Amino acid sequence: GNSVTQMEGPVTLSEEAFLTINCTYTATGYPSLFWYVQYPGEGLQLLLKATKADDKGSNKGFEATYRKETTSFHLEKGSVQVSDSAVYFCALSVPGNTPLVFGKGTRLSVIA
Amino acid sequence: SQTIHQWPATLVQPVGSPLSLECTVEGTSNPNLYWYRQAAGRGLQLLFYSVGIGQISSEVPQNLSASRPQDRQFILSSKKLLLSDSGFYLCAWSIGTDKAYEQYFGPGTRLTVT
Repeated sequence: GNSVTQMEGPVTLSEEAFLTINCTYTATGYPSLFWYVQYPGEGLQLLLKATKADDKGSNKGFEATYRKETTSFHLEKGSVQVSDSAVYFCALSVPGNTPLVFGKGTRLSVIA
Repeated sequence: SQTIHQWPATLVQPVGSPLSLECTVEGTSNPNLYWYRQAAGRGLQLLFYSVGIGQISSEVPQNLSASRPQDRQFILSSKKLLLSDSGFYLCAWSIGTDKAYEQYFGPGTRLTVT
């Protein structure tokens, strides 16, 4: 079946630290990969995506590269801010009109 | 552009009372629609999804039900709420094709069952 595994949180970092949130996946077929962000009390927002191997998705200083050989899509940011504090979800989608498969989410707290 | 609305934003209901949450999408036709629940501090649980009017797939057996009376309207209901129904309910939509597309989420409804 299809599944997404994210690193357990919470992750606590100081402002301007480097961020990595690991995500690996298992999929039948060729998935598209996504990172979503959920700020407190809000719905999920699409942060970035990649639809084929070696694609790099990027947005707001975050980036992730679709690595087919390691079935990974790790989220990175070079210098986090307090405003990046949120829950981050990795997800995959496979063709066939089915729902996204989400990881369990990783809570990030950035302290000044 | 497409927008998704959910209401109400917050709701406090007693145990045993009925529930109706509404979700509407604007700016697109024949979307796939989804209902998720998020318990406090936990991940997303897919409850229902729909690929067309009157077509509902249930992912988790429970005392909730969903209906899609119109193309861009998705309703989550319950006849009698349980304490365990408390949570943050999210509606989402995606383009309705057989390709792999992302989902877009509404602002959510915070439900507290007392």
